[in-house]
Amino acid sequence: EVQLVQSGAEVKKPGESLKISCKGSGYSFSTYWIGWVRQMPGKGLEWMGIIYPGDSDIRYSPSFEGQVTISADKSISTAYLQWSSLKASDTAMYYCARQYLTAKIDYWGQGTLVTVSS
Amino acid sequence: QSALTQPASVSGSPGQSITISCTGTSSDIGFYNHVSWYQQHPGKAPKLMIYDVINRPSGVSNRFSGSKSGNTASLTISGLQAEDEADYYCSSYTTASTHVFGGGTRLTVL
Repeated sequence: EVQLVQSGAEVKKPGESLKISCKGSGYSFSTYWIGWVRQMPGKGLEWMGIIYPGDSDIRYSPSFEGQVTISADKSISTAYLQWSSLKASDTAMYYCARQYLTAKIDYWGQGTLVTVSS
Repeated sequence: QSALTQPASVSGSPGQSITISCTGTSSDIGFYNHVSWYQQHPGKAPKLMIYDVINRPSGVSNRFSGSKSGNTASLTISGLQAEDEADYYCSSYTTASTHVFGGGTRLTVL
């Protein structure tokens, strides 16, 4: 069974750094792209970027490039999303998902809620 | 890149059919047949309902169907049921090698 299990909810202050994770199981983690999707409170889905764990090829949405860093460690089947300096506007639910490069997302993680507040 | 354009809300009575539109540009929906539709219930992760414009994943009811004409894709739900009440999002691959979602449509079953 394909599963993507994300790290737990985080509460941070503005300016702090953060790295959240997404561990895949039940399939060959290295051979499928992993995407990240943001959902701000009460708002819609926003595609952030995608990584191929096999060779760490990464594509970012122009809206998020420079704002976050996507990475992966194929040896432990885990993808990451990180911020160097959080802002209040980063408060959102973040989903990882198994995504085909040009097409569908077929499996989603359960989401990680990030709250940034002073 | 701008989000795809969806109506904010649609509604229908049980048993009826509804259609949700998703309008993009010649750089996304109009260029590729890589349109997907996702259903999201409150507090839950999204679920894939349609991919590559017309295809249904295993386990998704055949009451859900997709189509595309030019820069606009559509999701049709026939025989509406109470459980269909949710938010629906379209998504497309783009010529910039990225993906873009629509703003989302809230479906209310009256």
